[in-house]
Amino acid sequence: QQQVKQSPQSLIVQKGGIPIINCAYENTAFDYFPWYQQFPGKGPALLIAIRPDVSEKKEGRFTISFNKSAKQFSLHIMDSQPGDSATYFCAASNFGNEKLTFGTGTRLTIIP
Amino acid sequence: DGGITQSPKYLFRKEGQNVTLSCEQNLNHDAMYWYRQDPGQGLRLIYYSQIVNDFQKGDIGEGYSVSREKKESFPLTVTSAQKNPTAFYLCASSIRRSYGYTFGSGTRLTVV
Repeated sequence: QQQVKQSPQSLIVQKGGIPIINCAYENTAFDYFPWYQQFPGKGPALLIAIRPDVSEKKEGRFTISFNKSAKQFSLHIMDSQPGDSATYFCAASNFGNEKLTFGTGTRLTIIP
Repeated sequence: DGGITQSPKYLFRKEGQNVTLSCEQNLNHDAMYWYRQDPGQGLRLIYYSQIVNDFQKGDIGEGYSVSREKKESFPLTVTSAQKNPTAFYLCASSIRRSYGYTFGSGTRLTVV
């Protein structure tokens, strides 16, 4: 049973644009929502994470928006650059469980 | 430098053979995880271990086995019972009762 649904599967954005990747979850016990960035042939690396007690978190050009009532969260990349081209995964977990459940990933391409 | 080392980077296996993937960490992390990555399916949990000498199957543990004899090491054996073993395998670790995962660079296994 897929507990975290991610969309779109792929996304192409021009340099400077704002790609948006969306995730929805089912388990209301989830209380930690990270985003991971993965370059080809490498392992994922933590990009940014949010807890449900806030609606938005920014780190540099990356922003997570969180809607607890809708059980949705999204990643926005401001002033996107070709170097941001990668696969992005959302994930979720709860403190008692400790295991991360991942979305299916979004392959992002930023064209010059 | 602290981190997770996965070896080998590429591995070829003949059908019917068992193969073991190595994962070593020097981060002093308690918990370790094995994920499998397939195109369009994201990261799926194979096995996880929260302490030495204890481990549990994840969502897709059938056809795999692990051991956790040392805190630093969590090898994964892909057995001949695994029907579709060709995939990219990722090892991760975390401090227990925290949320951040550190991933290795992965092993790409191909069954020939």
